[in-house]
Amino acid sequence: GAVVSQHPSRVICKSGTSVKIECRSLDFQATTMFWYRQFPKQSLMLMATSNEGSKATYEQGVEKDKFLINHASLTLSTLTVTSAHPEDSSFYICSASTGRDTEAFFGQGTRLTVV
Amino acid sequence: GEDVEQSLFLSVREGDSSVINCTYTDSSSTYLYWYKQEPGAGLQLLTYIFSNMDMKQDQRLTVLLNKKDKHLSLRIADTQTGDSAIYFCAESFTGGGNKLTFGTGTQLKVEL
Repeated sequence: GAVVSQHPSRVICKSGTSVKIECRSLDFQATTMFWYRQFPKQSLMLMATSNEGSKATYEQGVEKDKFLINHASLTLSTLTVTSAHPEDSSFYICSASTGRDTEAFFGQGTRLTVV
Repeated sequence: GEDVEQSLFLSVREGDSSVINCTYTDSSSTYLYWYKQEPGAGLQLLTYIFSNMDMKQDQRLTVLLNKKDKHLSLRIADTQTGDSAIYFCAESFTGGGNKLTFGTGTQLKVEL
């Protein structure tokens, strides 16, 4: 299957700082990328959908000013957690899709810890 | 909104079959998926089924879909210790472009 690389896999940051997470499709062009969040022992919740070259669509309850998503190319989407606080600590996972396949391909996830 | 429910925990002996169940409320799904997540890792797609199918078999995995009851199951034959993980069902919808709604997850523990 296609490969999606997410970086970093783990990050620890101080409260009040910003953190950028990258999601790259390595061997295909992803017209759409999805960002999910997973709290410990819980399911994955969709945060936003991003299409290359356009603004991301955020799910209800997700603060767009706090979770900045950029999808500037067909192989890269970034999620920036701005002014991070301990309650933002979570596992963030991206997935990428060409829109034509039956599946979206997932990155390895990023464990964010805000101290 | 859509709700996708799974039982939280399942324990089986090595060599037995495991059956993980999933119920959903939205009947407009196009594909239904099963993913495996090992501790601290991302998601691994195990198998998927199109919503107009009743069954799909892939080696040790058998997926059964009952659209009338909105019930999906994953059967793992000859369960091994390496199958211990959390299993998520998920559904996608027409026009959703591979956006997935995930179930609550079932932790499978395989004992010797």
